Amino acid sequence: GNSVTQMEGPVTLSEEAFLTINCTYTATGYPSLFWYVQYPGEGLQLLLKATKADDKGSNKGFEATYRKETTSFHLEKGSVQVSDSAVYFCALSALTGGFKTIFGAGTRLFVKA
Amino acid sequence: GAGVSQSPRYKVAKRGQDVALRCDPISGHVSLFWYQQALGQGPEFLTYFQNEAQLDKSGLPSDRFFAERPEGSVSTLKIQRTQQEDSAVYLCASSLTTSGRQETQYFGPGTRLLVL
Repeated sequence: GNSVTQMEGPVTLSEEAFLTINCTYTATGYPSLFWYVQYPGEGLQLLLKATKADDKGSNKGFEATYRKETTSFHLEKGSVQVSDSAVYFCALSALTGGFKTIFGAGTRLFVKA
Repeated sequence: GAGVSQSPRYKVAKRGQDVALRCDPISGHVSLFWYQQALGQGPEFLTYFQNEAQLDKSGLPSDRFFAERPEGSVSTLKIQRTQQEDSAVYLCASSLTTSGRQETQYFGPGTRLLVL
C-alpha cells in the first residue's frame, strides 16, 4: 500500500542554519505530495505541495521538489528562524488510495536563538 | 470566514461511554475528512464525506465508530462504548471541492479524547 517515511526528530538547529527534513514515499501511480506544519498550540496547516514529478513547491522560504526517480520530497530551508520551530508532516494523496491522505509520523524542529 | 471549528476541544470519558465529536467545516466546502492522531504520530485517515455522502469509511477502526454529515455541512463522529485505545486527538479537515487529492485541506484544532 501507499506509505510515507520521514526522518525522525527532534531536529535541533541554531538560527540561520540550513534545514533538510527527508521524506520518501511509496505509492502506485502519481501521488500528490504535501508538507503540513503544526506550530505550537495550533492546528495543521499546509506549508507547500507539488502535484507532479519535478514540480517544486515553495512557501515562506521553504522548498521541496517532487523527485519521482528517488521517490522523495525533502523539505529544505536555507536559513531557519526561531519562529520555524514546529512539527512538520510529509503527506501524500493518490488515486490508488481512494480519498485517503497518508501522513508521515512528523518531525519536530527546534530552532535556538 | 471562520476556519474549521471542532467541539469539544477536550473530552474525558469513562471506558464504555459513548462520545460525540462535532466538526463545523469552512462554509461552502464540499469535502470533509476525519483523522485520528495518536501521541507522537501523524494523522491517520478515518473517513471522507463529499457533501452528505460518505464515500470512504475504510479507515474507521471498528464498528464502534460512526460518522455522519446529514446536511452536507456539520459532521459528527460518534464513538460507542469507548475503549482506552480510542484516546487520541481527532482532527477534522475540509476542502473546497471534490478534487481532494490535489487540494489543500484546512484543519480544525482537534478534539483531544482521553478514555479512562
